[in-house]
Amino acid sequence: EDKVVQSPLSLVVHEGDTVTLNCSYEVTNFRSLLWYKQEKKAPTFLFMLTSSGIEKKSGRLSSILDKKELFSILNITATQTGDSAIYLCAVGETSGSRLTFGEGTQLTVNP
Amino acid sequence: ETGVTQTPRHLVMGMTNKKSLKCEQHLGHNAMYWYKQSAKKPLELMFVYNFKEQTENNSVPSRFSPECPNSSHLFLHLHTLQPEDSALYLCASALGRAHGYTFGSGTRLTVV
Repeated sequence: EDKVVQSPLSLVVHEGDTVTLNCSYEVTNFRSLLWYKQEKKAPTFLFMLTSSGIEKKSGRLSSILDKKELFSILNITATQTGDSAIYLCAVGETSGSRLTFGEGTQLTVNP
Repeated sequence: ETGVTQTPRHLVMGMTNKKSLKCEQHLGHNAMYWYKQSAKKPLELMFVYNFKEQTENNSVPSRFSPECPNSSHLFLHLHTLQPEDSALYLCASALGRAHGYTFGSGTRLTVV
């Protein structure tokens, strides 16, 4: 059975801190790994990663995938209170279009 | 707004009621999904539709009945639900396998 494990499950930091969120996976036929940010209800897309070692970057957020060790990290530098959210990791397979999600990391950034 | 619209945003229903959740997208996506999000649990896939044909039913109880009349609309019909069915129900759409999902804002369902 496909499995996605995120750590930590919750994290509280101060504004300006740098955080690293982790996602490990066990998937039969890996196609892609995706990161989403969920603030109130609708998760919003952050990154899709398909190749190892290629960093994707968007402003203060960046992410990288290691297909050999089966994990990905999401880094957020100079955190702001607006970064407070649940960060979801999901993995897609080559067969079908479903995504398998992890439990999420609840990030709280205090002023 | 994400381009995927779900209604209603909140729903309270009794265990003997029948209600429906609606999802609509005009993004030109061909795949639509229902997910259930409960507290402290990963998003659980319920149903997948590709070009309005159901391609996955993830062992969902029959008290949840999906309907996809066309590629832009997806419904989830609810009847005789249980309190443990209370959750956030998220609809998503995607343009095929190689793309990420676009999610709706969800329907917060409470079964009393």
